[in-house]
Amino acid sequence: DTEVTQTPKHLVMGMTNKKSLKCEQHMGHRAMYWYKQKAKKPPELMFVYSYEKLSINESVPSRFSPECPNSSLLNLHLHALQPEDSALYLCASSSPGVAGGRETQYFGPGTRLLVL
Amino acid sequence: AQSVSQHNHHVILSEAASLELGCNYSYGGTVNLFWYVQYPGQHLQLLLKYFSGDPLVKGIKGFEAEFIKSKFSFNLRKPSVQWSDTAEYFCAVNDITGANNLFFGTGTRLTVIP
Repeated sequence: DTEVTQTPKHLVMGMTNKKSLKCEQHMGHRAMYWYKQKAKKPPELMFVYSYEKLSINESVPSRFSPECPNSSLLNLHLHALQPEDSALYLCASSSPGVAGGRETQYFGPGTRLLVL
Repeated sequence: AQSVSQHNHHVILSEAASLELGCNYSYGGTVNLFWYVQYPGQHLQLLLKYFSGDPLVKGIKGFEAEFIKSKFSFNLRKPSVQWSDTAEYFCAVNDITGANNLFFGTGTRLTVIP
């Protein structure tokens, strides 16, 4: 099973709202990722958690706040977003520490976010 | 930092035509290579991957890719495309030293005409 689930599928929010995106995997993976994908563009890495610790933050604005409550869950808390933050937010997971660095990232279906 | 180039932005083919999508990367070390596909309205799915060994790798749905180290290339091929192959194709690379950072190319949109 290579399934990563994300909720909600769609989200519309105002610039003053606070909302959260949720990602879950039960593959025993210990690395989880948030990506942002604009239309017709490749995914851009935002955050990486490895063993529930934040290991990469790609200079993402503080209005995006990641959280990894346990090895299966990854949240992205959103506050005071801008219309240009509208995008598809993808979660992925992989299994770090596999011999030879052979990690494959598996992606969830994404949350399509619209900021009004 | 690594970069990944996909020179074909949009490819249009008729059904049964052969497909080759180019992917070149810039990194001198040992890399892992991937092709992902994103069907309209769907999420990224892994087509195939190369870690080591035989440079010709076979993936799902009849796709294959060849790693040519001297050319820093990992081109995707399919002998005969179908209408259902219409999708966006992304090449991606990461280095085996870790940092979990997957670098994506800009993507190639494939349109297959029935």
